[in-house]
Amino acid sequence: DGGITQSPKYLFRKEGQNVTLSCEQNLNHDAMYWYRQDPGQGLRLIYYSQIVNDFQKGDIAEGYSVSREKKESFPLTVTSAQKNPTAFYLCASGPGRGNTIYFGEGSWLTVV
Amino acid sequence: AQKVTQAQTEISVVEKEDVTLDCVYETRDTTYYLFWYKQPPSGELVFLIRRNSFDEQNEISGRYSWNFQKSTSSFNFTITASQVVDSAVYFCALINAGGTSYGKLTFGQGTILTVHP
Repeated sequence: DGGITQSPKYLFRKEGQNVTLSCEQNLNHDAMYWYRQDPGQGLRLIYYSQIVNDFQKGDIAEGYSVSREKKESFPLTVTSAQKNPTAFYLCASGPGRGNTIYFGEGSWLTVV
Repeated sequence: AQKVTQAQTEISVVEKEDVTLDCVYETRDTTYYLFWYKQPPSGELVFLIRRNSFDEQNEISGRYSWNFQKSTSSFNFTITASQVVDSAVYFCALINAGGTSYGKLTFGQGTILTVHP
């Protein structure tokens, strides 16, 4: 099946640990995105990438890092520098140039 | 800078009522695209519609309709004869097709719609 796969669905992290969220798409999309959603809040853009080996900071990039070594993959690392990482993380992809952007099912990250 | 504002935080209606969700946007670009997404309790965002800045035609899809007015920078969404299954959070979003923020997809804060039986 074609789509966007995020893993894991649920993740628990101890304070001070880095954690990486996976996002894979087999839609041949050029653009990929990471958003953070806090309970009852909107979506805030963390990072986005329009092409392989290139990415830009979004509105809340501090404490996060990404890579785009392959077209189909855009992993997000939540570092220990992120002060309040507990949230719902959504990955998205699209063909670019204003075309429709589609979302994965999301990953819940809880810091314990 | 670009911004999307959904002034209605929560809306509650009774089944079969019509409901309109407001969306106002700001952008400096002349070429941009507007979207509406639905987020049910499961969390995944479901795409509803995409509109480009040069097409102001209103669109109807079943019980859903959209009114795009560049003069007021608005892209409102109406659900006719609402149903309980319409209960969800609805997001309006904007993406620029040029400029320094090319490709950046910005969301509004979302409107929680609850449809009571």
